[in-house]
Amino acid sequence: EDQVTQSPEALRLQEGESSSLNCSYTVSGLRGLFWYRQDPGKGPEFLFTLYSAGEEKEKERLKATLTKKESFLHITAPKPEDSATYLCAALTGANSKLTFGKGITLSVRP
Amino acid sequence: KAGVTQTPRYLIKTRGQQVTLSCSPISGHRSVSWYQQTPGQGLQFLFEYFSETQRNKGNFPGRFSGRQFSNSRSEMNVSTLELGDSALYLCASSSNSGGETQYFGPGTRLLVL
Repeated sequence: EDQVTQSPEALRLQEGESSSLNCSYTVSGLRGLFWYRQDPGKGPEFLFTLYSAGEEKEKERLKATLTKKESFLHITAPKPEDSATYLCAALTGANSKLTFGKGITLSVRP
Repeated sequence: KAGVTQTPRYLIKTRGQQVTLSCSPISGHRSVSWYQQTPGQGLQFLFEYFSETQRNKGNFPGRFSGRQFSNSRSEMNVSTLELGDSALYLCASSSNSGGETQYFGPGTRLLVL
């Protein structure tokens, strides 16, 4: 059974304190690894898709990387508005089913 | 382009009732997937529709069903509601059924009393 695990469950940072969020996966036939951001009471907002080991993508203060076993979301000099839950999801098989991790709740203090 | 829309946004039902939720995908998107999100289980895949056909189904009981119309709009139905069905129901659309990025709607918050 496909599994996606995110750690830590929650992370509290001071504004400007860089850190990384981890997403490890055990799946058969990874076709893509997705990162989403979710604010309270809202649907997940798409951030990145990574397709192969070694791939990296950046957007503002966020950078996502992928290895054969895990993905990292690096947050550089975070701001309070980066506070949210970050979800990763693995796409496997010949369909559109995403297997999600349980998310990492990030809180950035001013 | 308008995003994915879901109606209603909030719903309160009692045990034993049934409920229908609606999802309108992004214009031009033909695939609609449904997910259930709860604090304990996170986001779990319910089913996916593409061109009016159910292509994939998650591990949920038969009380959960769905359909898709010719304009790609989708509905999901839950019959004989149980307290454990209280959750945020999210739909996501993508342009195809081959793994393209899925874009989520705001969700429908269902509370079963």
